Amino acid sequence: GENVEQHPSTLSVQEGDSAVIKCTYSDSASNYFPWYKQELGKRPQLIIDIRSNVGEKKDQRIAVTLNKTAKHFSLHITETQPEDSAVYFCAARCKYIFGTGTRLKVLA
Amino acid sequence: DVKVTQSSRYLVKRTGEKVFLECVQDMDHENMFWYRQDPGLGLRLIYFSYDVKMKEKGDIPEGYSVSREKKERFSLILESASTNQTSMYLCASSYSYGYTFGSGTRLTVV
Repeated sequence: GENVEQHPSTLSVQEGDSAVIKCTYSDSASNYFPWYKQELGKRPQLIIDIRSNVGEKKDQRIAVTLNKTAKHFSLHITETQPEDSAVYFCAARCKYIFGTGTRLKVLA
Repeated sequence: DVKVTQSSRYLVKRTGEKVFLECVQDMDHENMFWYRQDPGLGLRLIYFSYDVKMKEKGDIPEGYSVSREKKERFSLILESASTNQTSMYLCASSYSYGYTFGSGTRLTVV
């Protein structure tokens, strides 16, 4: 069945540096790839998404890239700030499967 | 403005009890989901529903059942709660793309 792998499981970066989180998926029929941010004690919130007909999407400091041939997509956060510290989840929609999450710590 | 509401934030139940977790959405979404969230395992899909009275098994349906009698409500049922079902349970709804999540129910089975 569909499988989504996410790496790394934890990531620590200095404030101002960039953070990159990668996901791979197995089902080539997947056509929608969202990223969610979950702050401590709160619900996951959609922060950016990409559909299979584009290779990159950017929203201010956040960008997502998609390589359909290799079946992987990545979240890029530039100029990280302490408020970016959270758990990030990727998902690949064909069967609503999520990755296992990445705990990002931005060190001030 | 809360769109997906889970009835309980915290629950403590005894082993063997029948447990109902309720989720209500007010966005007229067709799709509703139940996930459980455990450290290191991320969000795992238990069941989902595309329409009223329709349900599909996710990746870990064992020990759970669901009910969708009305479009806005999707219930998760633990027929006989066990300690390995202690977890955070998240409900979500979706129209086409993207989810809206509830705040979660932290269930402890003792």
